[in-house]
Amino acid sequence: DGGITQSPKYLFRKEGQNVTLSCEQNLNHDAMYWYRQDPGQGLRLIYYSQIVNDFQKGDIAEGYSVSREKKESFPLTVTSAQKNPTAFYLCASSIADRGPYNEQFFGPGTRLTVL
Amino acid sequence: LAKTTQPISMDSYEGQEVNITCSHNNIATNDYITWYQQFPSQGPRFIIQGYKTKVTNEVASLFIPADRKSSTLSLPRVSLSDTAVYYCLVSSIDTDKLIFGTGTRLQVFP
Repeated sequence: DGGITQSPKYLFRKEGQNVTLSCEQNLNHDAMYWYRQDPGQGLRLIYYSQIVNDFQKGDIAEGYSVSREKKESFPLTVTSAQKNPTAFYLCASSIADRGPYNEQFFGPGTRLTVL
Repeated sequence: LAKTTQPISMDSYEGQEVNITCSHNNIATNDYITWYQQFPSQGPRFIIQGYKTKVTNEVASLFIPADRKSSTLSLPRVSLSDTAVYYCLVSSIDTDKLIFGTGTRLQVFP
């Protein structure tokens, strides 16, 4: 059963701690994305990767870091430098032949709360 | 890159047609328009994509006028299960930018 998974669904951390959000896909997609969603707002792009071992900053990359060592995995680390980390984080994947035009498949999201 | 603007919310009744408009005044020549549906605490799901004129699939239609400064998602005969937030997305292959609108919350009543 192909899909994209994110874990955990809910995550609580103390202020000042780094935290890593998991994103895994078995759709054989080359491209993967991380978005942040705040209440009443649309999705904002944090990082994206079109191929293994390569990734690009999105619109709000400050305070975040990513890695893309495997095609299936694109973990996101929320560092202590991120000023307002509490949000709903969404991971997505797509084929890469048409770049950002391709349909994106989203995971169920991780709700991060920093106390 | 185009900034997208959508109405915050809309109400409808079951069986009616719903049209949700997205404004993207600064859309560039090579930008595409995509619409997604999102239920609470879930990831968005693709509905439809277009570049110009009209596109139709099994669940919706997308109307894009000649100047492409806006687009309208049309949902025929909505049901209660269509209650969700709908986002338009303008994407640019020239800059790799992906700009989501703030979303329109559609509430369908029986």
